[in-house]
Amino acid sequence: DIQMTQSPSTLSASVGDRVTITCRASQSISRWLAWYQQKPGKAPELLIFDASSLERGVPSRFSGSGSGTEFTLTISSLQPDDFAVYYCQQYDTFSQGTFGQGTKVEIK
Amino acid sequence: QVQLQESGPGLVKPSETLSLTCTVSGGSISIYYWSWIRQSPGKGLEWIGYISYSGNTNYNPSLKSRVTISVDTSKNQFSLKLNSVTAADTAVYFCARSGYCNDGRCYGFPFDYWGQGTLVTVSS
Repeated sequence: DIQMTQSPSTLSASVGDRVTITCRASQSISRWLAWYQQKPGKAPELLIFDASSLERGVPSRFSGSGSGTEFTLTISSLQPDDFAVYYCQQYDTFSQGTFGQGTKVEIK
Repeated sequence: QVQLQESGPGLVKPSETLSLTCTVSGGSISIYYWSWIRQSPGKGLEWIGYISYSGNTNYNPSLKSRVTISVDTSKNQFSLKLNSVTAADTAVYFCARSGYCNDGRCYGFPFDYWGQGTLVTVSS
């Protein structure tokens, strides 16, 4: 089974900061990776798919990069609405979809 | 706008079967893939399984022996059954859609529409 490890687990940042979250896969998953944002009491929302494609309606301050085993989600200028938990998900074979453990972005 | 809504009992006794239904509105269930995901209190996300528009299913190996996902196209619904539940199955259960298609073929991931989630507690 492919394991996904996110770092850091918690990130403290201020409005306007550039924020980067890393997701590592236990084996190569090519570019088959998605990022989600989840706010308290809500369902996750898709931000990025195929490692770097921005989902419709998602602000352009969100971007994704990477391939193989290492991926990053970057928020270019953190906004008040961005404080949330972020999850990566691999779907390398399209038969299993393993999530990372999550990264909480909190106010510094 | 596609909307998904979970429904079912919020309390299930240990060793019994958890049953949930997801009703899809604003679009047909006869295309795309439809999944169940759960989130234990204060924990991360766990994909449970999906069913395709053609009725093919695929499950998380860790739950495969206890899970059945089915679809009722006449009602635009799909359902989850998880048997022999224990307290470890207490979680918020989400239904979700994957609208990811490429070159005329659709796939089970990622998830572009989600239900709001429903808490299921396993307790006697």
